[in-house]
Formats: sequence, structure tokens, C-alpha cells
Amino acid sequence: ELKVEQNPLFLSMQEGKNYTIYCNYSTTSDRLYWYRQDPGKSLESLFVLLSNGAVKQEGRLMASLDTKARLSTLHITAAVHDLSATYFCAVVTDDKIIFGKGTRLHILP
Amino acid sequence: DADVTQTPRNRITKTGKRIMLECSQTKGHDRMYWYRQDPGLGLRLIYYSFDVKDINKGEISDGYSVSRQAQAKFSLSLESAIPNQTALYFCATSDEDRWVFDEQFFGPGTRLTVL
Repeated sequence: ELKVEQNPLFLSMQEGKNYTIYCNYSTTSDRLYWYRQDPGKSLESLFVLLSNGAVKQEGRLMASLDTKARLSTLHITAAVHDLSATYFCAVVTDDKIIFGKGTRLHILP
Repeated sequence: DADVTQTPRNRITKTGKRIMLECSQTKGHDRMYWYRQDPGLGLRLIYYSFDVKDINKGEISDGYSVSRQAQAKFSLSLESAIPNQTALYFCATSDEDRWVFDEQFFGPGTRLTVL
């Protein structure tokens, strides 16, 4: 059974700092997505990671995928307040898509 | 105009009532999905449809049914609502060109409260 675990579930950090969100999953998968959700809003696609070693970057966010370790990371560089949101990873197997519980990121000015 | 729309945006109903949530899209995507989001639980897939004639159960389909009336319309029904179906419901779409469960585009959500 595919299980997806994100950590931390809540993160409060200062502007300008770096941090990493982790997404671990339990079975073989070669596709992983990262989404962002602002409070009271819908989900927005951030990254699509398709293969082992994939790395994608957009602004201050960088996502990577290690399929052998069954781990994806979302790294935030020099955080700014605008990045405050909840971040979800979603892992796909042949017939399932399972979302993590989300990491609520609060960036303090 | 939004590519994926949901109606209603908010709904309060009573236990035992039948309720329908509707989703329309102008993205031209064949694949549509219904999810529910509960605080602290992420999103869970209820049903998905790859075309008008193809409907599939997701992780938590019990207590729900769906109808794909057209390529652009996918509705979710609660035949007899119960309080633990109180949640935020999202519709999503994806293109068919690549894989099952490709990158998805979400509607604004429907907040449903069952009293």
C-alpha cells in the first residue's frame, strides 16, 4: 500500500533563511508532484518530477527526486513572506495518486 | 474566466439530504477528478473519469457517486449526506496526452457542511 509522509507538517521560519521539506513514500513510483495551496484557495502545480535524479527550480524553490531512496525534497532558499503557504507532495503509482498531509509554511518578516 | 469552475462554492445541508456538486472546465481536458480535503489529512481521491464513458473509484468512494455528463462536466453526488462528509471538495482536470494522473489543475473548491 502506498503511503506518503511529509515532514515537517508545520514550519515557522524567518525571512532570509533556508529550509527543506521532505516527502517520503513507501512503494515504487517514478512520478511525483509538488503543489502549493494558499489559505482559503485552491492548489497550484509547482513541479513535476519524472525520474530519479530529477531536479527542478523555480525562483527560490527547488525540488528533487530520489526514487531509490523514495524521497523528494522541496528546498526553500532565502525565504520571503510570499512563500507562506501549505505545500503538498503527491505520489503516483500505476493506479493511485496519494497526497501527503501537507507542510504549512509560515515565514515571519 | 477560470478554467475550472465549481458550483456551489459553499453549501450547508442537513443529514440525510441529497446534494450535488458540479464541476465545469474549459481547458479541453479529458480527465477529471473529485477530491476531498480535510484539515490535516491532505487530499483524498473520491472518483476520477478519463472520458465520458470511463468512471473509476478512488481511495474513498463510499457514500459518493459521480456523473460525467459531457467532456467538460463532472458532478459529484452525496445520496444521503452525513456529518463526516463535511469537507472541502475539489474538482481537478488533467490532459490525456501523457500518463494516468498527470499534472492536475484544480478548481476553487466547494466548502460543504453537513449538519
